[in-house]
Amino acid sequence: DAGVIQSPRHEVTEMGQEVTLRCKPISGHDYLFWYRQTMMRGLELLIYFNNNVPIDDSGMPEDRFSAKMPNASFSTLKIQPSEPRDSAVYFCASSGTAGANVLTFGAGSRLTVL
Amino acid sequence: RKEVEQDPGPFNVPEGATVAFNCTYSNSASQSFFWYRQDCRKEPKLLMSVYSSGNEDGRFTAQLNRASQYISLLIRDSKLSDSATYLCVVNSDYGQNFVFGPGTRLSVLP
Repeated sequence: DAGVIQSPRHEVTEMGQEVTLRCKPISGHDYLFWYRQTMMRGLELLIYFNNNVPIDDSGMPEDRFSAKMPNASFSTLKIQPSEPRDSAVYFCASSGTAGANVLTFGAGSRLTVL
Repeated sequence: RKEVEQDPGPFNVPEGATVAFNCTYSNSASQSFFWYRQDCRKEPKLLMSVYSSGNEDGRFTAQLNRASQYISLLIRDSKLSDSATYLCVVNSDYGQNFVFGPGTRLSVLP
């Protein structure tokens, strides 16, 4: 398996622009997570899905952030409009209930908002 | 108080040294525990799960003390390649609420 695949790996954009981050989880995993990592706040859970349904989005900072999972193999995290304080590394991770309850992370998307 | 706290770093140790990290968690209902490793500018990767009776994987030993709500990681005979940030992770139920600690940075020096 290719693991969790994220795109883009790097994105530089200007304040006010829309940003869309993409994730393909490991095949067969039924949980998908979006995390954000910054030096100041560490790794923060934004939202997670089970069987494509959002379960907990309490970590989503504000209405500018939205996430979707239209099918078992694809999810997006959208920021509109983006702000400089959104600059961070965004990780997608997946896990399967049949396994050892372990998270596998993608390589991350490094976002810089100017 | 943060839900998961770790030793402040960085830890700078010579090759071959033994180093120990501690982690405390506040939710007494926590059910599962892990150590993840994160290399610079990379994603976190599972190092080992932590079992109630303690467990060992080569040079790495993890211990859990439920009464005191802390987890430890011991690295023996440290290698240059052990240099990374070590993240303590607690799952508060058998669901998927994984809470990460802030991490402790380790530098193993030649």
